[in-house]
Amino acid sequence: GEEVAQTPKHLVRGEGQKAKLYCAPIKGHSYVFWYQQVLKNEFKFLISFQNENVFDETGMPKERFSAKCLPNSPCSLEIQATKLEDSAVYFCASRGRDIRTDTQYFGPGTRLTVL
Amino acid sequence: GQQVMQIPQYQHVQEGEDFTTYCNSSTTLSNIQWYKQRPGGHPVFLIQLVKSGEVKKQKRLTFQFGEAKKNSSLHITATQTTDVGTYFCAAHSGYSTLTFGKGTMLLVSP
Repeated sequence: GEEVAQTPKHLVRGEGQKAKLYCAPIKGHSYVFWYQQVLKNEFKFLISFQNENVFDETGMPKERFSAKCLPNSPCSLEIQATKLEDSAVYFCASRGRDIRTDTQYFGPGTRLTVL
Repeated sequence: GQQVMQIPQYQHVQEGEDFTTYCNSSTTLSNIQWYKQRPGGHPVFLIQLVKSGEVKKQKRLTFQFGEAKKNSSLHITATQTTDVGTYFCAAHSGYSTLTFGKGTMLLVSP
């Protein structure tokens, strides 16, 4: 498709529960990025993939967060044992193969609320 | 890693007034991108600047990249209520990762 799709739009979890978010990048795009945006609007980079391979995971919390991009499946971001501070909007973005153009297209985001 | 400082954090203008947001980096940037995020929305790519001293215009928006490629600005002439949103600059750290500034939230009163 021509847009990055993210599901669900909203997700509510009790503290300690698991949360799983999905992202379908634009068809033909090789790179997928996950960002976390908290209330103060700051974007925190989490992880990026080049096709199904992890490209950069320097922003990924080591303990409870994991992500995958498998062939022929939406990419996923999973948070085990959610905490209150995980409440945020999680954006997925995709980018094409040409690094020179390097435009990232963002999905609509998933708003995660941890109670 | 790469850091971009963006100011002001917030600006409230009357419709018709001009608006400018600034991004600064302590290191030379290969390029800089600008995004707009409407309230409740997602970031939308506006433009990418690559060359030293580059100036690009999109209708009432003017984007500049400094000569030293360490700073950039976005200027909106004669703001309209449709300009409301948060404007982010972003620069690359490493091969693919974009580092975002903290954004400037623009409010426009009619």
